[in-house]
Amino acid sequence: RKEVEQDPGPFNVPEGATVAFNCTYSNSASQSFFWYRQDCRKEPKLLMSVYSSGNEDGRFTAQLNRASQYISLLIRDSKLSDSATYLCVVNDNAGNMLTFGGGTRLMVKP
Amino acid sequence: DAGITQSPRHKVTETGTPVTLRCHQTENHRYMYWYRQDPGHGLRLIHYSYGVKDTDKGEVSDGYSVSRSKTEDFLLTLESATSSQTSVYFCAISRGPEQYFGPGTRLTVT
Repeated sequence: RKEVEQDPGPFNVPEGATVAFNCTYSNSASQSFFWYRQDCRKEPKLLMSVYSSGNEDGRFTAQLNRASQYISLLIRDSKLSDSATYLCVVNDNAGNMLTFGGGTRLMVKP
Repeated sequence: DAGITQSPRHKVTETGTPVTLRCHQTENHRYMYWYRQDPGHGLRLIHYSYGVKDTDKGEVSDGYSVSRSKTEDFLLTLESATSSQTSVYFCAISRGPEQYFGPGTRLTVT
């Protein structure tokens, strides 16, 4: 079983749609959680950290459910520029080590 | 921008040759990492460093060595490149629990 699991997609959505991604993690001792965005042939870039209380940054909302060990990312009013791969990332607090999910690909169409 | 550069950005080499990839950072971060990214596997940690001359193995360290003689530079060496080491290599630094990535090196071993 993978430590961080994501649906690889692709999710094909029209502009303006709301789309949600989920991610599950296996290590119940994990301490920090993140969503990264990766464009084709580019490096991953931090999109947002995920806090226990949930957090929002513009059109993006992240939620954490520790009891069920899943993390979600909601994107409202999708833009063409949101097309990318979204990586769910978990820090198990062991020497600043991150574990990456395989990514979910999003394609926003006109 | 985390002030991370990688060199070379692209390299084609032959099986059996040694290859060294360089990661350079300008912000004096203590932790540095080398990852490889392959289709179907996501990002996997090769080696990391927690200070000058302090390094440790990651998940996929076989066939790789690293050195860190200065805070700003973290070198990844393939002593004798194999075709299975064809990949995209990313360097990263830590700011707290978050990691920031360099632009990557695309390595092809023929």
